[in-house]
Amino acid sequence: GQQLNQSPQSMFIQEGEDVSMNCTSSSIFNTWLWYKQEPGEGPVLLIALYKAGELTSNGRLTAQFGITRKDSFLNISASIPSDVGIYFCAGQMRPNRDDKIIFGKGTRLHILP
Amino acid sequence: EADIYQTPRYLVIGTGKKITLECSQTMGHDKMYWYQQDPGMELHLIHYSYGVNSTEKGDLSSESTVSRIRTEHFPLTLESARPSHTSQYLCASNRNTEAFFGQGTRLTVV
Repeated sequence: GQQLNQSPQSMFIQEGEDVSMNCTSSSIFNTWLWYKQEPGEGPVLLIALYKAGELTSNGRLTAQFGITRKDSFLNISASIPSDVGIYFCAGQMRPNRDDKIIFGKGTRLHILP
Repeated sequence: EADIYQTPRYLVIGTGKKITLECSQTMGHDKMYWYQQDPGMELHLIHYSYGVNSTEKGDLSSESTVSRIRTEHFPLTLESARPSHTSQYLCASNRNTEAFFGQGTRLTVV
């Protein structure tokens, strides 16, 4: 089936650093989504992207829908301890009845003391 | 805010028992999904549904079964639980694009 390649798998950073992660696919997607999951909880939607080239911000988070429609990026500026968690990208090829959302394998963000 | 609920949040059960994990959403979403996730690991799709009376197997083979008799409910059943079923089970739903997740059920089979 379709796969999303998400990288990096893990990140270890200092508080205050900026973070960048990305997701790529061999197929074109019409929707890109970014989620954050904290331990013991379900993933929570952070940002949704619907248009190639779109750049959307949510506080310190910024995500972009790649021009080729085969990739997306998530940036976190000035990281803080509560940013720790797993970040998942997700994509959908066609938002119709027969299309389901596909998830990447996640980027695990760790903040060093 | 997402209106999708899973019960129970935590379940410890003995080997061989039959269990049903409940998932309900009040958003009128047609599509619903069950994912299995080990701590810190990726999400594995085990079942999904396009609507009432529709169920499909996901990418990861699972001994569980699901039903979709009503739009709002998508229960998952294990006829005979085994220690290998110990995991977190996450339910999600969407209409066309954005999917929303429940808080998950943490299942431990002893």
